[in-house]
Amino acid sequence: ETGVTQSPTHLIKTRGQQVTLRCSSQSGHNTVSWYQQALGQGPQFIFQYYREEENGRGNFPPRFSGLQFPNYSSELNVNALELDDSALYLCASSLQPSDYTGELFFGEGSRLTVL
Amino acid sequence: GENVEQHPSTLSVQEGDSAVIKCTYSDSASNYFPWYKQELGKRPQLIIDIRSNVGEKKDQRIAVTLNKTAKHFSLHITETQPEDSAVYFCAARSIRDDKIIFGKGTRLHILP
Repeated sequence: ETGVTQSPTHLIKTRGQQVTLRCSSQSGHNTVSWYQQALGQGPQFIFQYYREEENGRGNFPPRFSGLQFPNYSSELNVNALELDDSALYLCASSLQPSDYTGELFFGEGSRLTVL
Repeated sequence: GENVEQHPSTLSVQEGDSAVIKCTYSDSASNYFPWYKQELGKRPQLIIDIRSNVGEKKDQRIAVTLNKTAKHFSLHITETQPEDSAVYFCAARSIRDDKIIFGKGTRLHILP
């Protein structure tokens, strides 16, 4: 069973630039959720994709967007980067519907630094 | 939407003692409550979860209790060990939107 993998693991960008983060979901999973984790904070829900469609979104501006592909892998895109976007971006995959547990399996994260 | 509050933010206990972390949630439609452990520089990992049709669940030294009326749930770790030192997150999932919302975390230090 292949776990959740994310790339890149670390990256540095400057304000105003754009970034794309990638996530391969665990084998057999059909749902991908993206979270932003600032230093010392809990994961903040960005959005969730189920069968290639966004089916939930947190309080993040439209410059945060995403995609899910037919193989259930996913991308997170952030445009017009701001300093506050510096954080660990976590991708988590799950199987839904799943008797209302839908345990999240996290990747190692992509650490984004915006200068 | 769902809001999850967690306290304390930091907790230090003597090795061998018990640790308790408490969370409250706002959405009465939430029905699934996982707890994740995150070690330094690593990904969060599920340690235990509970559904709303159950009041308590145990797994060795770890237990979770749920009070649906009061909308709060707690993590109990007994006989703490050095490897229990980590950040613990509670979370809740509402059937309204299927999102899993996390608390801000509790940093647990096990003192020798």
